[in-house]
Amino acid sequence: KNQVEQSPQSLIILEGKNCTLQCNYTVSPFSNLRWYKQDTGRGPVSLTIMTFSENTKSNGRYTATLDADTKQSSLHITASQLSDSASYICVVSAQAAGNKLTFGGGTRVLVKP
Amino acid sequence: KAGVTQTPRYLIKTRGQQVTLSCSPISGHRSVSWYQQTPGQGLQFLFEYFSETQRNKGNFPGRFSGRQFSNSRSEMNVSTLELGDSALYLCASSTVEGFVTGELFFGEGSRLTVL
Repeated sequence: KNQVEQSPQSLIILEGKNCTLQCNYTVSPFSNLRWYKQDTGRGPVSLTIMTFSENTKSNGRYTATLDADTKQSSLHITASQLSDSASYICVVSAQAAGNKLTFGGGTRVLVKP
Repeated sequence: KAGVTQTPRYLIKTRGQQVTLSCSPISGHRSVSWYQQTPGQGLQFLFEYFSETQRNKGNFPGRFSGRQFSNSRSEMNVSTLELGDSALYLCASSTVEGFVTGELFFGEGSRLTVL
């Protein structure tokens, strides 16, 4: 069964500090892995999309890494800002018929001043 | 250009009723996909439409259905509503290749409450 597990479920960090979110998956056959940011009451917004051959991808202060061998990904937030308070969702896409997208449960990040 | 538009934003129904939600994709996007988001289950994929055809389907009962029109606008319908159907329903649009390989652009969602 395809699964995506994210950790931690939530974290609190001080403004200006860095943090790293984790995503482990068992989706097969792998197509790509995406990270989304979802503000409360809003729709998710894409941060990065990585295919099998990509190890690192950045979007401003957000840097995602992918280890396809261990089936792990991380999202690193550098110099956090209050606007980074949101849920971060890891999504893995499979190259197969039927249900192709598997979502992680998300990590809720709260940045405090 | 305008983003993905979902209507209505909020609605309240009672058990046994049915509901229809609407989604207008970004101009030029021909793929529309639907998702259910609940606190307990998180985001779950419902189905995806392209050129008025359902291309992909998630693991939801037949009470959940959808369709896409020739202008790429899409609707989803939930019949015989249950309390557990209370959720935020999100629509996303993408280019031809976008659903599987590329970027999804989400709307703000329709929040359904079933009493």
